[in-house]
Amino acid sequence: GQQVMQIPQYQHVQEGEDFTTYCNSSTTLSNIQWYKQRPGGHPVFLIQLVKSGEVKKQKRLTFQFGEAKKNSSLHITATQTTDVGTYFCAARDDKIIFGKGTRLHILP
Amino acid sequence: GAVVSQHPSWVICKSGTSVKIECRSLDFQATTMFWYRQFPKQSLMLMATSNEGSKATYEQGVEKDKFLINHASLTLSTLTVTSAHPEDSSFYICSARDPVRGSDSPLHFGNGTRLTVT
Repeated sequence: GQQVMQIPQYQHVQEGEDFTTYCNSSTTLSNIQWYKQRPGGHPVFLIQLVKSGEVKKQKRLTFQFGEAKKNSSLHITATQTTDVGTYFCAARDDKIIFGKGTRLHILP
Repeated sequence: GAVVSQHPSWVICKSGTSVKIECRSLDFQATTMFWYRQFPKQSLMLMATSNEGSKATYEQGVEKDKFLINHASLTLSTLTVTSAHPEDSSFYICSARDPVRGSDSPLHFGNGTRLTVT
């Protein structure tokens, strides 16, 4: 079945530094979704990427989908304390499979 | 936007008892709902897919007799943890997709239920 590998597992950054999490699959993905889960909360949908090489931005967040549609990344510019949480990529086979997530911790 | 409501938010029960968790889609009809379990600092693991009017589809390793799923209407799915044990303590989250938006539309999650079995 579909599997997505996500790295790193944890990331500590100083407030104001950039952050990137990567998602990789051994097979071609039809699309990829990104979710954010705040501590103690539930996952919230951020974005979906569908096209090869697609790049989408949401304020300080930049999402990329690889040309081969096997990898994706989420980059946050100038992190803020509100960015704290776990970021999951998710790929759809016949059901949505989540990566293990990257837990972002911001150091003040 | 689409809203999924889950109840209760947290529950503490004694070992051997059963706990029912409800998941409702508030502004759309969901023929399919998904139940996930999340242990601390881990990812979301799909337990089962709840299908309205038919049997749920369970993932490998998930005991269907222990985790009873009922999807009696287009807006309600329930998960019952039967004869709960301390190892069942976890965060249970339901999700659903608005079918009007297509099969690739994002999942909308309930707030989750934190189950503690003593």
